[in-house]
Amino acid sequence: DIQMTQSPSTLSASVGDRVTITCRASQSISNWLAWYQQKPGKAPKLLIYKASSLESGVPSRFSGSASGTEFTLTISSLQPDDFATYYCQQYNVYSGTFGQGTKLDIK
Amino acid sequence: QVQLQESGPGLVKPSETLSLTCTVSGGSIRSQFWTWIRQPPGRGLEWIGYIYHDGTTKYSPSLKSRVTISIDTSKNQFSLRLTTVTTADTGVYYCARAGGGCGGCYSGADIWGRGTMVTVSS
Repeated sequence: DIQMTQSPSTLSASVGDRVTITCRASQSISNWLAWYQQKPGKAPKLLIYKASSLESGVPSRFSGSASGTEFTLTISSLQPDDFATYYCQQYNVYSGTFGQGTKLDIK
Repeated sequence: QVQLQESGPGLVKPSETLSLTCTVSGGSIRSQFWTWIRQPPGRGLEWIGYIYHDGTTKYSPSLKSRVTISIDTSKNQFSLRLTTVTTADTGVYYCARAGGGCGGCYSGADIWGRGTMVTVSS
């Protein structure tokens, strides 16, 4: 069973900041990783799939990268609408483990 | 555009079976992967499992003994059954299409239902 370790659990930042969230897989998942944004009371929204592919309609300030079993979500310049909780999900070998989530709030 | 809607009881008694249905509208359920995900109150997301239109399924190891996901292509619906529930099964249950960025392959969940709250309580 593949485990996903996401960090940090909380992150305080300001509008305009560049922020990075990391997920580490317990074993190789190739690039089968997605990133989601979730706001309170709403369903999650897919941002990135296949580690670095931007979902249609998602602003280009969001980007994803991979290095071995470590995956990164970067927001290049935070906007007010970006304060939310972010989750990674691996979908290697047809499974679907989520990371624990990162709550991004306003400093 | 494709839309998903969960339906089912909002209250289930402990030890009983939770049953939910997801209705797909605006597109065909065929040739796609469909998934169930849940979220306990105030906590993170948990993947439950998926089903392909041909009935192929895979489940979370931690829930495998209690979960069944089925599909009815004639009704454009797929369903979740979770047996012997406890209070730990309380939460919002989401259905979603697991096809982000690809036609018919298994990927991130790109289309979600609004979610339905299920409370396990006597």
